[in-house]
Amino acid sequence: AQSVTQLGSHVSVSEGALVLLRCNYSSSVPPYLFWYVQYPNQGLQLLLKYTSAATLVKGINGFEAEFKKSETSFHLTKPSAHMSDAAEYFCAVSEMDSSYKLIFGSGTRLLVRP
Amino acid sequence: NAGVTQTPKFQVLKTGQSMTLQCAQDMNHEYMSWYRQDPGMGLRLIHYSVGAGITDQGEVPNGYNVSRSTTEDFPLRLLSAAPSQTSVYFCASSQDSRKRDATNEKLFFGSGTQLSVL
Repeated sequence: AQSVTQLGSHVSVSEGALVLLRCNYSSSVPPYLFWYVQYPNQGLQLLLKYTSAATLVKGINGFEAEFKKSETSFHLTKPSAHMSDAAEYFCAVSEMDSSYKLIFGSGTRLLVRP
Repeated sequence: NAGVTQTPKFQVLKTGQSMTLQCAQDMNHEYMSWYRQDPGMGLRLIHYSVGAGITDQGEVPNGYNVSRSTTEDFPLRLLSAAPSQTSVYFCASSQDSRKRDATNEKLFFGSGTQLSVL
């Protein structure tokens, strides 16, 4: 069965600092991997996704993630945090033959300090 | 396009009451799904549908029913509400559930329904 583990329910960074949100997955078949962002009182929006093309995936708002099969990881990074990045971030996995069925991690809330 | 529309935005029920959460999309998407979001547990898939007339269970289907009589609508029914069903519910849709290349696919989410069961 597929699963996703997000390390750290809360991450706090200073404005301008590196953002690193961790995600490890478990899947018996090659996966698709996703990062979604949720701003307060809103639904989820897609940040980026990996679909077996390039292992380094660039998304919106300056975020990127690298697929590392040997580590079963798909960590999300951004070189310089902005106050507007404060939100909850979800990693998700799906199997290639059912790419619409996403299994989500428990989420990481990013706090950005001035 | 309105995207994915969920109603109501807020609802309070008493234990044992029934209700239907509505979800409609105007993007002609084949795939629709319902998730519940609980603190510290992320989003968990309740039910999903890959097209009109076809539904299937997700991770946490107990206590919920769905139907898909049209492409546009995917209502979620709580037949006898319980306090454990207090949660935020999200409906999501995507274009073509049978595509094997997900390069251009993504889930579109509604803004959610906050449900409290007393």
